[in-house]
Amino acid sequence: QKEVEQNSGPLSVPEGAIASLNCTYSDRGSQSFFWYRQYSGKSPELIMFIYSNGDKEDGRFTAQLNKASQYVSLLIRDSQPSDSATYLCAVNPPNQFYFGTGTSLTVIP
Amino acid sequence: GAVVSQHPSRVICKSGTSVKIECRSLDFQATTMFWYRQFPKQSLMLMATSNEGSKATYEQGVEKDKFLINHASLTLSTLTVTSAHPEDSSFYICSATPGTFQETQYFGPGTRLLVL
Repeated sequence: QKEVEQNSGPLSVPEGAIASLNCTYSDRGSQSFFWYRQYSGKSPELIMFIYSNGDKEDGRFTAQLNKASQYVSLLIRDSQPSDSATYLCAVNPPNQFYFGTGTSLTVIP
Repeated sequence: GAVVSQHPSRVICKSGTSVKIECRSLDFQATTMFWYRQFPKQSLMLMATSNEGSKATYEQGVEKDKFLINHASLTLSTLTVTSAHPEDSSFYICSATPGTFQETQYFGPGTRLLVL
């Protein structure tokens, strides 16, 4: 079992729709959770992080964490073509840092 | 804040030569730096973790004698690809964190290596 699992996609949504990206993790000791965005040919950039159960909103982005279900998600509201990228989930068990393989998102104009 | 730079951004070299890549944290002290490699259309692969002043910890399957890592200061880590071969051609990305594993990783822009 992989430490962090993501659906590789590709996920396609029309412009203006909500994109939902999901991630599950295996280590219940994980304390920090991150979402990164990676454009083709570029390095990852941090979108947001979440530590506590519940929702955390930042602009059009909302991260959701459910530690009981070992599940973290990222919602992108009012999706734009510029949101088309690969989204990486990262999880932080003690003394470790694991990335998922990423979900490819395409926002169709 | 939290800016990480890498140099060079792109390098082309002949097979058998060595290539050094620098990773610098510009506005914070990086206790821990990470080196990743990414092949086209594949996910990030962690190569090694380095802490300032100590030897790097390499992931399984990564040759420490081929990929030399030096974390000489709290703002600089270097990766040297020794005796590079075409199969070493890849996108090398560093990241840095001000703390330990519990802190957010901030990524450099990456270095694209092409070995002819």
